[in-house]
Amino acid sequence: DVKVTQSSRYLVKRTGEKVFLECVQDMDHENMFWYRQDPGLGLRLIYFSYDVKMKEKGDIPEGYSVSREKKERFSLILESASTNQTSMYLCASREIYSPLHFGNGTRLTVT
Amino acid sequence: EDKVVQSPLSLVVHEGDTVTLNCSYEVTNFRSLLWYKQEKKAPTFLFMLTSSGIEKKSGRLSSILDKKELSSILNITATQTGDSAIYLCASYSGAGSYQLTFGKGTKLSVIP
Repeated sequence: DVKVTQSSRYLVKRTGEKVFLECVQDMDHENMFWYRQDPGLGLRLIYFSYDVKMKEKGDIPEGYSVSREKKERFSLILESASTNQTSMYLCASREIYSPLHFGNGTRLTVT
Repeated sequence: EDKVVQSPLSLVVHEGDTVTLNCSYEVTNFRSLLWYKQEKKAPTFLFMLTSSGIEKKSGRLSSILDKKELSSILNITATQTGDSAIYLCASYSGAGSYQLTFGKGTKLSVIP
């Protein structure tokens, strides 16, 4: 079974802090993704990576950056956290055109 | 702009009822449509429907893709309280597309 592991289930950060969300997958998948999920808005794609050191903006990249130095690891970075970035963050990976496999999510609260 | 729309947004049924969840899509160069179930944590994959596989079934759950109507339904028969979840529909589109466009989900509540 594919395993996608997100490093934290819950995080509380202060406005202006730099925040790192880590994601690791164990199936040698080429593609990895970061989504955020908000009530009434559904899942929205922040960034994705189709290969090591490659990244593409999704629908809502503002205020975020990503890093993919190794195939199995994809990090989401909030350079200066703001309260409107309070959300559930979901990491996912897949082979191309195959279903996404999601991690358990990180619920981030920015105060 | 690609769009996936689910209906209803929420639904309450009694155990044993049969439910039908709807999903319509407007995407460029449609490739496949996926259904996920989300309880408290990560969405878990249910079905993927493509032009070559327009009907899928697993136990009490089944799904059909209607390419003419640009829609799909997810049926759950003999519902149980464990079926309570948010059901997400999503579509891949475009040549070489990496992006999956999600609907907002249908929240299903099954009461005893």
